[in-house]
Amino acid sequence: AQSVTQLGSHVSVSEGALVLLRCNYSSSVPPYLFWYVQYPNQGLQLLLKYTTGATLVKGINGFEAEFKKSETSFHLTKPSAHMSDAAEYFCAVTANTGNQFYFGTGTSLTVIP
Amino acid sequence: KAGVTQTPRYLIKTRGQQVTLSCSPISGHRSVSWYQQTPGQGLQFLFEYFSETQRNKGNFPGRFSGRQFSNSRSEMNVSTLELGDSALYLCASSLASQGINEQYFGPGTRLTVT
Repeated sequence: AQSVTQLGSHVSVSEGALVLLRCNYSSSVPPYLFWYVQYPNQGLQLLLKYTTGATLVKGINGFEAEFKKSETSFHLTKPSAHMSDAAEYFCAVTANTGNQFYFGTGTSLTVIP
Repeated sequence: KAGVTQTPRYLIKTRGQQVTLSCSPISGHRSVSWYQQTPGQGLQFLFEYFSETQRNKGNFPGRFSGRQFSNSRSEMNVSTLELGDSALYLCASSLASQGINEQYFGPGTRLTVT
């Protein structure tokens, strides 16, 4: 079975500061990990994904995440926050069987001008 | 290529009624998953359909059901609505070819039960 835990349901950062959103996963098989972003009144948009290969994954809008197997983590970072980054972020995990995704409870990011 | 579409976008129903939500996946996508999103609960998986068959099912009561048609379009039905069913219902489609395929989400249907 798979699951993800997102530490911090609300994160506030100043514009230009580092963004760090935490995600830890649990999986009995090699995980495939995703970060999605949700803007108000919209569906989820894929930011980036890790399947195999390079553990540092770059996504859209300057975000990146690093898969650390030893820490069972897949934290999302961005060097410099922008006002437009304010949104809800979801971490998700799936396995190489079937197509069921497991999502975290989300982290709401606020960017302070 | 058109994205995932969901209809209607907003819906208000009364307790005890039933509701049907519709999802049209991206052309060529064969898998459709449904999620319920509520504040504090995140996305809770309802079920997934692939080639008109329910392939995965979450932990929801039997009042929640779905189906998929031969053109991959999917519907979700909730019978005997309860106040707690008020939520954003999201549909996601994926290729479901070999390997891991990311899910593409629609904008959701906001259901309010009064």
